[in-house]
Amino acid sequence: ETGVTQTPRHLVMGMTNKKSLKCEQHLGHNAMYWYKQSAKKPLELMFVYSLEERVENNSVPSRFSPECPNSSHLFLHLHTLQPEDSALYLCASSLTSGGAGELFFGEGSRLTVL
Amino acid sequence: AQRVTQPEKLLSVFKGAPVELKCNYSYSGSPELFWYVQYSRQRLQLLLRHISRESIKGFTADLNKGETSFHLKKPFAQEEDSAMYYCAPLNTGTASKLTFGTGTRLQVTL
Repeated sequence: ETGVTQTPRHLVMGMTNKKSLKCEQHLGHNAMYWYKQSAKKPLELMFVYSLEERVENNSVPSRFSPECPNSSHLFLHLHTLQPEDSALYLCASSLTSGGAGELFFGEGSRLTVL
Repeated sequence: AQRVTQPEKLLSVFKGAPVELKCNYSYSGSPELFWYVQYSRQRLQLLLRHISRESIKGFTADLNKGETSFHLKKPFAQEEDSAMYYCAPLNTGTASKLTFGTGTRLQVTL
């Protein structure tokens, strides 16, 4: 498989559950990103990883916990979420974090928090 | 920080009509701006970047520093142009990151 792959595509969880979103890229990129896309709001950058090191954390609540074990994989661990966290979570990658702005996106994980 | 405004949530045009998707930005320094597009049931993808000055799928975008605008234009709209379009400035710093506008849905009708 090529490109950026996200799993699961859909996730429904209760407020007390713990779940994880997974992102995998097969492009040989060194930077990976998590974005949140809510209805009627712009895409919000959550986290940026460069060479497995977190270089950006945009004031995201601690109930979202990212993990980047290697440059090809990115996780978003979720626990004690709120209904307002329901959104489409997009993963993206780029050649470098200081690159020319071309991001390659996954199809997203649609999260519903009950 | 750079900010971008896309004033129109929805733009509906007839096939063959000209298209202009507006984007205004606030920026300190030299801006780098991009247009991303999301077609139905497809992932978000880069359409064009201002530094390349290229035309992609008939679309062009000129950076107007005086008006702080980066409008996306196409002289003759096609049905397959129907999509969500996002204007995005590139923030440089510790990590380059794109900040997306709220997006404009372009609807091309017969």
